[in-house]
Amino acid sequence: QVQLVESGGGVVQPGRSLRLSCAASGFTFSSYGMHWVRQAPGKGLEWVAVIWYDGSNKYYADSVKGRFTISRDNSKNTLYLQMNSLRAEDTAVYYCARDVIAALGPWGQGTLVTVSS
Amino acid sequence: SYELTQPPSVSVSPGQTARITCSGDALPKKYAYWYQQKSGQAPVLVIYEDSKRPSGIPERFSGSSSGTMATLTISGAQVEDEADYYCYSTDSSGNQNVFGTGTKVTVL
Repeated sequence: QVQLVESGGGVVQPGRSLRLSCAASGFTFSSYGMHWVRQAPGKGLEWVAVIWYDGSNKYYADSVKGRFTISRDNSKNTLYLQMNSLRAEDTAVYYCARDVIAALGPWGQGTLVTVSS
Repeated sequence: SYELTQPPSVSVSPGQTARITCSGDALPKKYAYWYQQKSGQAPVLVIYEDSKRPSGIPERFSGSSSGTMATLTISGAQVEDEADYYCYSTDSSGNQNVFGTGTKVTVL
């Protein structure tokens, strides 16, 4: 079955960097766009970024533009999120999700990123 | 930046109908999607392209859209439908996706 497993979260100091990964299985990864979505503790969902199936286009939320980079390695069935210049407000659970005709599903279980000194 | 506005909470008795609205300027031209998120779990898609229901989603969930407002309806709400619900869409450019502010549905 379709499975998405995020990893790479943890505690990081403000201003530092972190790279998240999302390992995909159970479907043809190279045929689907992929998204990152985050959720701060006790808050709502926030869309972060999307990458097309072939990596040709990438779009970002204004809140992360210029600091975060979404990428993928279709040979490894893996999605990435490089997060630089991290801020306290980036603290959240980060989910990856598959794009199916613009709908997101399924989602991974998420990885927690805590930005704190 | 583009915003989708939802009521913070909706309460309904079991068996009654719950309606959750989502307001956004681009909705006349862009589809709305609805996600259910139960406590401690990842979100699940319950409605796509305004009114279509994915396989496995109960028939009591339905969606509609008119003008700048999309609506998720739970007909005959069950206790297990208690969750946070989020609408999702994109701005007029199609490049900035956004979630609504979220609505907590209480069934009691």
